[in-house]
Amino acid sequence: EAQVTQNPRYLITVTGKKLTVTCSQNMNHEYMSWYRQDPGLGLRQIYYSMNVEVTDKGDVPEGYKVSRKEKRNFPLILESPSPNQTSLYFCASSLFGRREDTQYFGPGTRLTVL
Amino acid sequence: DQQVKQNSPSLSVQEGRISILNCDYTNSMFDYFLWYKKYPAEGPTFLISISSIKDKNEDGRFTVFLNKSAKHLSLHIVPSQPGDSAVYFCAAGSGNTGKLIFGQGTTLQVKP
Repeated sequence: EAQVTQNPRYLITVTGKKLTVTCSQNMNHEYMSWYRQDPGLGLRQIYYSMNVEVTDKGDVPEGYKVSRKEKRNFPLILESPSPNQTSLYFCASSLFGRREDTQYFGPGTRLTVL
Repeated sequence: DQQVKQNSPSLSVQEGRISILNCDYTNSMFDYFLWYKKYPAEGPTFLISISSIKDKNEDGRFTVFLNKSAKHLSLHIVPSQPGDSAVYFCAAGSGNTGKLIFGQGTTLQVKP
């Protein structure tokens, strides 16, 4: 089944404790992206990657890191999480990142930073 | 500054009637628009899109209308069904980077 998977689905952590949220897709997509969803703000893009070893900042990259060493994986790293990073996170992928390419989203990771 | 706005946080409609969800944008460079639907505990799923060279696109019960002069798009669902109850996000893009700007979302409730 074609899908985007994220792990963990739920995470509660404390300020400053490094964490990684994994994202994997099995559709051989070149484009991958991370979003966060917050009440009243919709989905905002954090980082995106057009291909392996190519990453770029989205609208809200501060406090986040990403890497794209393999086509299928695009982990989101929070080196020193803070409470304002409490949010619902979505990973997405599309074939080439063209505007007409459908973006497929993962199920989401709900992160709480205490 | 919110470049894509959905000013109605929620909408309630009777089953069988029309649902109209609205979206406004400010950036005249946007030339591609999409609607995504999101159920609780799931990721958004693509619903329908429209290019700025068109003013209407239809897919079954779903139609998206684009009014470029007003910088406004709307999603019409006819007839509405209880299974359409979800959060609907509009999104806009420009160029060919795959970058999308999303609105805040509108929660649609279709009552049986």
